Amino acid sequence: SAVISQKPSRDICQRGTSLTIQCQVDSQVTMMFWYRQQPGQSLTLIATANQGSEATYESGFVIDKFPISRPNLTFSTLTVSNMSPEDSSIYLCSVVLAGALEEQYFGPGTRLTVT
Amino acid sequence: GEDVEQSLFLSVREGDSSVINCTYTDSSSTYLYWYKQEPGAGLQLLTYIFSNMDMKQDQRLTVLLNKKDKHLSLRIADTQTGDSAIYFCAESRSTLGRLYFGRGTQLTVWP
Repeated sequence: SAVISQKPSRDICQRGTSLTIQCQVDSQVTMMFWYRQQPGQSLTLIATANQGSEATYESGFVIDKFPISRPNLTFSTLTVSNMSPEDSSIYLCSVVLAGALEEQYFGPGTRLTVT
Repeated sequence: GEDVEQSLFLSVREGDSSVINCTYTDSSSTYLYWYKQEPGAGLQLLTYIFSNMDMKQDQRLTVLLNKKDKHLSLRIADTQTGDSAIYFCAESRSTLGRLYFGRGTQLTVWP
Protein backbone atom coordinates (compact mmCIF):
# COMPACT_ATOMS: atom_id res chain seq x y z
CA SER A 1 0.00 0.00 0.00
CA ALA A 2 1.02 3.66 0.32
CA VAL A 3 0.62 6.67 2.55
CA ILE A 4 -1.92 9.06 1.05
CA SER A 5 -2.41 12.40 2.74
CA GLN A 6 -5.05 15.01 2.13
CA LYS A 7 -5.11 18.62 3.27
CA PRO A 8 -7.15 20.04 4.83
CA SER A 9 -8.82 17.19 6.70
CA ARG A 10 -11.91 19.33 7.22
CA ASP A 11 -13.08 22.88 6.66
CA ILE A 12 -16.10 25.07 7.11
CA CYS A 13 -16.49 27.57 4.30
CA GLN A 14 -18.85 30.34 3.38
CA ARG A 15 -21.10 30.24 0.37
CA GLY A 16 -19.48 31.73 -2.74
CA THR A 17 -15.88 31.04 -1.72
CA SER A 18 -13.49 28.38 -3.07
CA LEU A 19 -11.43 25.69 -1.37
CA THR A 20 -8.44 23.82 -2.74
CA ILE A 21 -7.83 20.28 -1.49
CA GLN A 22 -4.43 18.67 -1.82
CA CYS A 23 -3.62 14.99 -2.24
CA GLN A 24 -0.05 13.70 -1.80
CA VAL A 25 1.16 10.12 -2.19
CA ASP A 26 4.47 8.68 -1.05
CA SER A 27 4.75 6.04 -3.79
CA GLN A 28 4.76 5.87 -7.56
CA VAL A 29 1.24 6.29 -8.87
CA THR A 30 -0.31 5.40 -12.20
CA MET A 31 -3.86 6.69 -11.83
CA MET A 32 -5.40 9.31 -9.53
CA PHE A 33 -9.09 9.93 -9.08
CA TRP A 34 -11.25 12.37 -7.14
CA TYR A 35 -14.52 11.16 -5.61
CA ARG A 36 -17.28 12.87 -3.69
CA GLN A 37 -19.28 11.26 -0.90
CA GLN A 38 -22.39 13.20 -0.01
CA PRO A 39 -23.91 12.61 3.44
CA GLY A 40 -25.31 9.10 3.71
CA GLN A 41 -24.53 8.37 0.07
CA SER A 42 -22.13 6.29 -1.92
CA LEU A 43 -19.02 7.58 -3.66
CA THR A 44 -19.38 9.38 -6.97
CA LEU A 45 -16.44 9.88 -9.30
CA ILE A 46 -15.79 13.54 -10.09
CA ALA A 47 -12.84 13.14 -12.46
CA THR A 48 -9.66 11.33 -13.34
CA ALA A 49 -6.62 13.52 -12.67
CA ASN A 50 -4.22 13.27 -15.61
CA GLN A 51 -0.60 14.15 -15.13
CA GLY A 52 0.36 17.29 -17.04
CA SER A 53 -2.94 17.61 -18.89
CA GLU A 54 -6.57 18.44 -18.31
CA ALA A 55 -8.57 16.13 -16.06
CA THR A 56 -11.25 13.86 -17.49
CA TYR A 57 -14.60 14.77 -15.93
CA GLU A 58 -17.62 12.56 -15.36
CA SER A 59 -21.07 13.53 -16.48
CA GLY A 60 -22.48 16.22 -14.21
CA PHE A 61 -19.10 17.65 -13.22
CA VAL A 62 -17.38 20.52 -15.03
CA ILE A 63 -13.94 22.04 -14.97
CA ASP A 64 -15.14 25.53 -14.03
CA LYS A 65 -16.70 24.19 -10.84
CA PHE A 66 -14.06 21.54 -9.97
CA PRO A 67 -10.71 22.51 -11.49
CA ILE A 68 -8.10 19.81 -10.98
CA SER A 69 -4.34 19.92 -11.36
CA ARG A 70 -1.81 17.11 -11.33
CA PRO A 71 1.62 18.60 -11.93
CA ASN A 72 3.48 15.36 -11.19
CA LEU A 73 2.82 11.69 -10.58
CA THR A 74 2.32 11.89 -6.82
CA PHE A 75 0.44 15.17 -6.23
CA SER A 76 -2.94 16.54 -7.23
CA THR A 77 -5.30 19.32 -6.19
CA LEU A 78 -9.06 19.64 -6.47
CA THR A 79 -10.68 23.06 -6.11
CA VAL A 80 -14.33 23.40 -5.23
CA SER A 81 -15.31 26.78 -6.68
CA ASN A 82 -18.11 29.20 -5.85
CA MET A 83 -19.37 26.88 -3.15
CA SER A 84 -22.97 26.37 -2.14
CA PRO A 85 -24.40 24.25 0.71
CA GLU A 86 -25.00 21.44 -1.81
CA ASP A 87 -21.22 21.07 -2.07
CA SER A 88 -21.03 19.93 1.56
CA SER A 89 -19.50 16.47 1.21
CA ILE A 90 -16.44 14.38 1.87
CA TYR A 91 -13.96 14.66 -0.99
CA LEU A 92 -11.56 11.76 -1.42
CA CYS A 93 -8.63 11.16 -3.68
CA SER A 94 -7.78 7.63 -4.71
CA VAL A 95 -4.75 6.15 -6.42
CA VAL A 96 -3.67 3.09 -8.33
CA LEU A 97 -0.07 2.30 -7.50
CA ALA A 98 2.55 1.23 -9.99
CA GLY A 99 3.10 -2.49 -9.49
CA ALA A 100 -0.39 -3.11 -8.04
CA LEU A 101 -2.64 -2.14 -10.87
CA GLU A 102 -5.71 -3.92 -9.57
CA GLU A 103 -5.65 -2.19 -6.17
CA GLN A 104 -7.11 1.25 -5.54
CA TYR A 105 -6.35 3.09 -2.31
CA PHE A 106 -8.10 6.07 -0.81
CA GLY A 107 -6.92 9.08 1.09
CA PRO A 108 -8.48 9.94 4.45
CA GLY A 109 -10.84 12.45 2.87
CA THR A 110 -11.60 16.13 3.30
CA ARG A 111 -14.85 16.89 5.09
CA LEU A 112 -16.27 20.12 3.69
CA THR A 113 -19.19 22.02 5.20
CA VAL A 114 -20.53 25.05 3.34
CA THR A 115 -22.63 27.51 5.30
CA GLY B 1 -31.28 1.19 -11.35
CA GLU B 2 -28.00 1.39 -9.51
CA ASP B 3 -24.92 -0.32 -10.89
CA VAL B 4 -24.12 -1.86 -7.49
CA GLU B 5 -26.68 -2.58 -4.79
CA GLN B 6 -26.31 -3.50 -1.13
CA SER B 7 -28.63 -3.76 1.81
CA LEU B 8 -28.17 -0.73 4.05
CA PHE B 9 -28.03 -2.24 7.54
CA LEU B 10 -26.86 -5.41 9.29
CA SER B 11 -26.70 -6.13 13.02
CA VAL B 12 -24.93 -9.10 14.56
CA ARG B 13 -23.79 -10.25 17.98
CA GLU B 14 -20.12 -10.28 18.84
CA GLY B 15 -18.60 -13.68 18.00
CA ASP B 16 -21.16 -14.48 15.30
CA SER B 17 -20.42 -14.44 11.58
CA SER B 18 -21.53 -11.50 9.45
CA VAL B 19 -22.48 -11.84 5.81
CA ILE B 20 -22.77 -8.71 3.71
CA ASN B 21 -24.26 -9.11 0.26
CA CYS B 22 -23.91 -7.12 -2.94
CA THR B 23 -25.27 -7.40 -6.46
CA TYR B 24 -23.92 -5.71 -9.56
CA THR B 25 -25.20 -5.32 -13.08
CA ASP B 26 -22.23 -5.14 -15.43
CA SER B 27 -21.09 -8.49 -16.76
CA SER B 28 -17.76 -6.98 -17.84
CA SER B 29 -16.65 -6.38 -14.24
CA THR B 30 -13.03 -7.41 -13.87
CA TYR B 31 -12.39 -6.94 -10.15
CA LEU B 32 -14.78 -6.68 -7.23
CA TYR B 33 -13.80 -4.99 -3.99
CA TRP B 34 -14.77 -4.63 -0.38
CA TYR B 35 -13.89 -1.43 1.47
CA LYS B 36 -14.42 -0.55 5.12
CA GLN B 37 -15.16 2.97 6.33
CA GLU B 38 -15.04 3.77 10.01
CA PRO B 39 -16.62 6.98 11.34
CA GLY B 40 -14.73 10.05 10.22
CA ALA B 41 -12.21 8.03 8.23
CA GLY B 42 -11.44 7.30 4.59
CA LEU B 43 -11.96 3.99 2.85
CA GLN B 44 -9.76 1.04 3.76
CA LEU B 45 -9.29 -1.64 1.11
CA LEU B 46 -10.18 -4.91 2.82
CA THR B 47 -9.98 -7.40 0.00
CA TYR B 48 -10.79 -7.90 -3.65
CA ILE B 49 -11.43 -10.76 -6.04
CA PHE B 50 -10.77 -11.21 -9.72
CA SER B 51 -13.85 -12.00 -11.73
CA ASN B 52 -12.63 -15.44 -12.82
CA MET B 53 -12.41 -16.60 -9.19
CA ASP B 54 -15.32 -17.78 -7.09
CA MET B 55 -13.80 -17.59 -3.62
CA LYS B 56 -11.03 -15.82 -1.77
CA GLN B 57 -10.14 -16.22 1.89
CA ASP B 58 -8.00 -13.83 3.91
CA GLN B 59 -7.86 -14.55 7.65
CA ARG B 60 -11.36 -13.80 9.01
CA LEU B 61 -12.64 -12.61 5.64
CA THR B 62 -14.16 -14.82 2.96
CA VAL B 63 -15.33 -13.41 -0.35
CA LEU B 64 -17.71 -15.42 -2.51
CA LEU B 65 -18.46 -14.48 -6.09
CA ASN B 66 -21.30 -15.90 -8.16
CA LYS B 67 -20.60 -14.43 -11.56
CA LYS B 68 -23.67 -15.98 -13.17
CA ASP B 69 -25.97 -14.23 -10.69
CA LYS B 70 -23.68 -11.17 -10.38
CA HIS B 71 -23.66 -11.63 -6.62
CA LEU B 72 -20.79 -10.91 -4.25
CA SER B 73 -20.66 -11.54 -0.54
CA LEU B 74 -18.28 -10.79 2.30
CA ARG B 75 -18.28 -13.08 5.32
CA ILE B 76 -16.57 -11.91 8.48
CA ALA B 77 -15.95 -14.75 10.92
CA ASP B 78 -15.97 -14.16 14.69
CA THR B 79 -17.22 -10.60 14.27
CA GLN B 80 -15.86 -8.13 16.82
CA THR B 81 -17.10 -4.73 17.98
CA GLY B 82 -14.16 -3.21 16.10
CA ASP B 83 -15.71 -4.49 12.88
CA SER B 84 -18.58 -2.03 13.28
CA ALA B 85 -18.32 0.22 10.22
CA ILE B 86 -19.78 0.85 6.80
CA TYR B 87 -18.78 -1.73 4.21
CA PHE B 88 -18.77 -0.74 0.55
CA CYS B 89 -18.90 -3.10 -2.37
CA ALA B 90 -17.31 -1.79 -5.57
CA GLU B 91 -16.53 -3.05 -9.05
CA SER B 92 -14.15 -2.05 -11.79
CA ARG B 93 -14.62 -2.74 -15.48
CA SER B 94 -10.98 -2.47 -16.50
CA THR B 95 -7.56 -2.50 -14.95
CA LEU B 96 -6.67 1.08 -13.91
CA GLY B 97 -10.34 1.99 -14.24
CA ARG B 98 -12.64 3.93 -11.97
CA LEU B 99 -14.71 2.13 -9.35
CA TYR B 100 -18.49 1.87 -9.16
CA PHE B 101 -19.70 1.78 -5.59
CA GLY B 102 -22.74 0.54 -3.75
CA ARG B 103 -24.32 2.72 -1.08
CA GLY B 104 -22.66 0.82 1.74
CA THR B 105 -23.89 -1.54 4.47
CA GLN B 106 -23.78 -0.24 8.04
CA LEU B 107 -22.62 -3.18 10.17
CA THR B 108 -23.37 -2.88 13.89
CA VAL B 109 -21.85 -5.44 16.22
CA TRP B 110 -23.51 -5.82 19.64
CA PRO B 111 -21.46 -7.03 22.62
